[in-house]
Parts: sequence; C-alpha cells; structure tokens
Amino acid sequence: DAGVTQSPTHLIKTRGQHVTLRCSPISGHKSVSWYQQVLGQGPQFIFQYYEKEERGRGNFPDRFSARQFPNYSSELNVNALLLGDSALYLCASSSLDPFSDTQYFGPGTRLTVL
Amino acid sequence: AQSVTQLGSHVSVSEGALVLLRCNYSSSVPPYLFWYVQYPNQGLQLLLKYTSAATLVKGINGFEAEFKKSETSFHLTKPSAHMSDAAEYFCAVSDNTDKLIFGTGTRLQVFP
Repeated sequence: DAGVTQSPTHLIKTRGQHVTLRCSPISGHKSVSWYQQVLGQGPQFIFQYYEKEERGRGNFPDRFSARQFPNYSSELNVNALLLGDSALYLCASSSLDPFSDTQYFGPGTRLTVL
Repeated sequence: AQSVTQLGSHVSVSEGALVLLRCNYSSSVPPYLFWYVQYPNQGLQLLLKYTSAATLVKGINGFEAEFKKSETSFHLTKPSAHMSDAAEYFCAVSDNTDKLIFGTGTRLQVFP
C-alpha cells in the first residue's frame, strides 16, 4: 500500500505570497494532521481533520487554514507568508482507531520563504 | 498540559556500542508515547509506541523502550549501534486525540 504522499516536495515563495500544500492519506485513513517543523526543532501541531471536520488546532495564526476533501485528502493554506514560515511541513494520517493510535507521516514539503 | 523533554540534543556512540536516548514526559492522563526517527531530508518513521499494553515495547530495527511511570520516562535503547542508525530521534506524547507533542529531538551519531 502507498504511504502518505505530499506535494510539492519543495517550494520557494516570497514574503506576502500565498501557498497551498497537499496531502493524500494512506488508503482507509480518515484523519489527517498537519505539523510544522522548523529547522533544528521538533514538529509542531497545526491542524487535525477527521471526516472533513476540524478536530484540533494548534497555536498558529489565522493565516494558516486547512480543509479536508470527501476523499480524505487535505490542503494546508498559508496566507501572507513570513520569513518565519520557512519550514518542513509534514502531513500525517491515522485511522483514529482507539486501539491503534498511530500517525503515519509523509515525506514533507520543504517551504522556503525569501 | 502534556510535554516531553529529551535530554541531550546530540549523542555520539561507536558502532557496536549501546544506544541510550532519554525521554521524560509530563501528562495528566495515561499517555500514549512514541519514538519516531527522521533521516536527513525525510519525514518521520515510527520506531515504536506505548499504549499501556506492556511496559517494555519492542520496535523496528532492534530498538526498544521501557515505560517507567514512577520516573515518567520512556527511554529508547538499542544494544548495538549500527552506522545506519545515525539520524534524528524524536520522542512524542499524546492523549487519545491523535495530536502529538514532540520533544526537540536527539541527533545520534555513530562512529566506526
């Protein structure tokens, strides 16, 4: 089975621009979470979606938004990009099975803001 | 609030030596605990997870971790390091909401 896929792999934007990152979960997984990993730090939780509903949101400004589609894929949108948004953006999927509370991560999208 | 602390941002061992990566957690509810590994320019790969079934958890690539409630620890060990183990290791904690709280990571270097 294919794992979590993310696109694009790399992205370069300038300050003030908008970016959209995409994620396809593992087949059968209905939950998608997004994390931001700044260089040298651990990943920080941004959003979790389950069945197209937002289930959780981390401490990120309203410039960050996301949505989940009927096929459970997801988009992360960031408006008015700042230099500090440069990071690896990771998507993770899970089944939200209470006996298998495991998130599986994709390879990430490396965003560079100039 | 839940949190994890990883002691030691860098650990260096010789090939064949014991690997010990430390993780202490803070949680107000029975935690789920995880170790993930990240190779350069890649995403995170699950090594192992603790979900209260057994205190000693065996994972992939010969790694294991022991949950010690009295010490609020979940240290990762491997009896004999291999060159291919060189990577960044992250400890994480969650309640049952799937939101993971990660530590700051430990970079493992393995010398021949």
